[in-house]
Amino acid sequence: DAKTTQPPSMDCAEGRAANLPCNHSTISGNEYVYWYRQIHSQGPQYIIHGLKNNETNEMASLIITEDRKSSTLILPHATLRDTAVYYCIVRVAPGSQGNLIFGKGTKLSVKP
Amino acid sequence: SAVISQKPSRDICQRGTSLTIQCQVDSQVTMMFWYRQQPGQSLTLIATANQGSEATYESGFVIDKFPISRPNLTFSTLTVSNLSPEDSSIYLCSVGGPSTDTQYFGPGTRLTVL
Repeated sequence: DAKTTQPPSMDCAEGRAANLPCNHSTISGNEYVYWYRQIHSQGPQYIIHGLKNNETNEMASLIITEDRKSSTLILPHATLRDTAVYYCIVRVAPGSQGNLIFGKGTKLSVKP
Repeated sequence: SAVISQKPSRDICQRGTSLTIQCQVDSQVTMMFWYRQQPGQSLTLIATANQGSEATYESGFVIDKFPISRPNLTFSTLTVSNLSPEDSSIYLCSVGGPSTDTQYFGPGTRLTVL
């Protein structure tokens, strides 16, 4: 079973920040938080990952709470093309042989 | 990042037949994964395929139904055998490896069984 809990759906206005929450209260010390998204009819796309520090890349920011039991993915200026299902996944450290276990994700709808 | 292609992109098959899906990667990778995504559902791992060894199947998936080949470090096939309408899904391959921080996914193969 997936180790994360996400709201099933969220709406966001175009141009505004989209904040997607994720609970992972049973995360282990060697597990990272990964975010993927799946745009309709495409394969999942990697967004970002982190261990305990906040991370930022060209796509998004990842905020992880100090106790690491939850995190938030932030899309700073959502566009219509960001409409997708967003998956929060915890997995063992990068470079391991582990695969990804997907939960149900959050369906983000960006509206004009 | 790895560039992954899958063939076919979609197919419609008759009950009782088989479909072989190909996955090609533009670089050598140690591990390849095959996932299934049933309509309206999330992704479920079918098996992990390492080059030179037998694939490792997840609970609920068996080799007779989903035989996998991994002849080299850039290619793998998944066969879905004895098709039934319940096999209608999107099948995706994914690659990862000990030197990568993440996994990359192919575009998927959409299978419809009539």
